Amino acid sequence: NAGVTQTPKFRILKIGQSMTLQCTQDMNHNYMYWYRQDPGMGLKLIYYSVGAGITDKGEVPNGYNVSRSTTEDFPLRLELAAPSQTSVYFCASSYTREGELFFGEGSRLTVL
Amino acid sequence: AQSVTQLGSHVSVSEGALVLLRCNYSSSVPPYLFWYVQYPNQGLQLLLKYTTGATLVKGINGFEAEFKKSETSFHLTKPSAHMSDAAEYFCAVSDGGGTSYGKLTFGQGTILTVHP
Repeated sequence: NAGVTQTPKFRILKIGQSMTLQCTQDMNHNYMYWYRQDPGMGLKLIYYSVGAGITDKGEVPNGYNVSRSTTEDFPLRLELAAPSQTSVYFCASSYTREGELFFGEGSRLTVL
Repeated sequence: AQSVTQLGSHVSVSEGALVLLRCNYSSSVPPYLFWYVQYPNQGLQLLLKYTTGATLVKGINGFEAEFKKSETSFHLTKPSAHMSDAAEYFCAVSDGGGTSYGKLTFGQGTILTVHP
């Protein structure tokens, strides 16, 4: 059972480039989330989804987009990368709306 | 709106000593509270959670936490630290699945160092 899988694990982007962080889960969870983690700042919610076809903004959505065409997949798109998007990104999923999340191992992104 | 404050970004203890990581929250509705642990270069994993009922909750690896409504606190403790406990710990709050759909508000994290 793989759980939540994120790719790539590491990526370096130049300013202005675009990329997609992939996230897939095999637990048939309806709820999925993207967080970013910056040192000393905890985790901030970027976007979330309560099911296929339904997404909504979190606390820090600017510069990002998401889609949820299937229950399993929840890709995060970065358009026109900026140095402020240098961070570690975590995808998570849940089978309830209480907050018990299952996390992927993270994707470390550097924008130069 | 909800918020979480973890007191102390770094805590250092000796092996065998008591571990105490502090967490205070604010919430306009009855909160659900969580502690997550993050080992180096890994994702977060759930240590324990408080939803309703008993205010003292036990988690994995010998950790426990007590929900104190009057103090708006949810401190994490372990009687005897082990070297393998060295990690970063995050306190988090949700509104219990009301309108937040499982979204968590995290504290800034506390790095626990355990000395031999």
